[in-house]
Amino acid sequence: EVQVVESGGGLVQPGGSLRLSCVGSGFTFSSYSMNWVRQAPGKGLEWVSFISSASSNKYYADSVRGRFTTSRDNGRNSVYLQMNSLRDEDTAVYYCARDLGLWEEDYFDSWGQGTLVTVSS
Amino acid sequence: DIQMTQSPSYVSASMGDRVTITCRASQSLSKWLAWYQQKPGKAPKLLIYSASSLQTGVPSRFSGSGSGTEFTLTISGLRPEDVATYYCQQGKSFPVTFGTGTKVDIK
Repeated sequence: EVQVVESGGGLVQPGGSLRLSCVGSGFTFSSYSMNWVRQAPGKGLEWVSFISSASSNKYYADSVRGRFTTSRDNGRNSVYLQMNSLRDEDTAVYYCARDLGLWEEDYFDSWGQGTLVTVSS
Repeated sequence: DIQMTQSPSYVSASMGDRVTITCRASQSLSKWLAWYQQKPGKAPKLLIYSASSLQTGVPSRFSGSGSGTEFTLTISGLRPEDVATYYCQQGKSFPVTFGTGTKVDIK
């Protein structure tokens, strides 16, 4: 069974840092691109970042570019989101999502349960 | 960035009804669009990709159509377990963008 499991969320002060982790299982992790998607409380979905299977391509939403960095370790079946200079508006549930794997089309076919990040003083 | 607009934002229908949700893009997507279902407190679930391809395991009462800038998700025969919020998402280019969501409820 395909599974992705996030961890690392919590309460952090504005300006602080947090690192989210996501572990994949039940599939050949190194063959898939991965994404982070977030959802602020009571709001819609916002895509955050993308990392290709070999880490050769990385993309970010304008709202996080320069503050967030995505990376992966295929040997550990893991993808990470390093979040720096956190702001109140970064408060959200962060989902890790596997890319479906179609050529030049990006959809998300397996999602984790999400990890809550709260930025507050 | 490609802007995605959904309508309506809320729909209430009876069990067995046909429900139609529309998604419009600010530029042509060809067929590069997906639909997701999200139930309260749960992660989104992929229903449809490439505008009309049904994801494995999704009931056949869900269908997608459209191309270019206008797309439709149809639920043929609404069931209680379909109560959820539905989002469209363009998969053509980064940044990936989602629609504003449509909440579906049972009368």
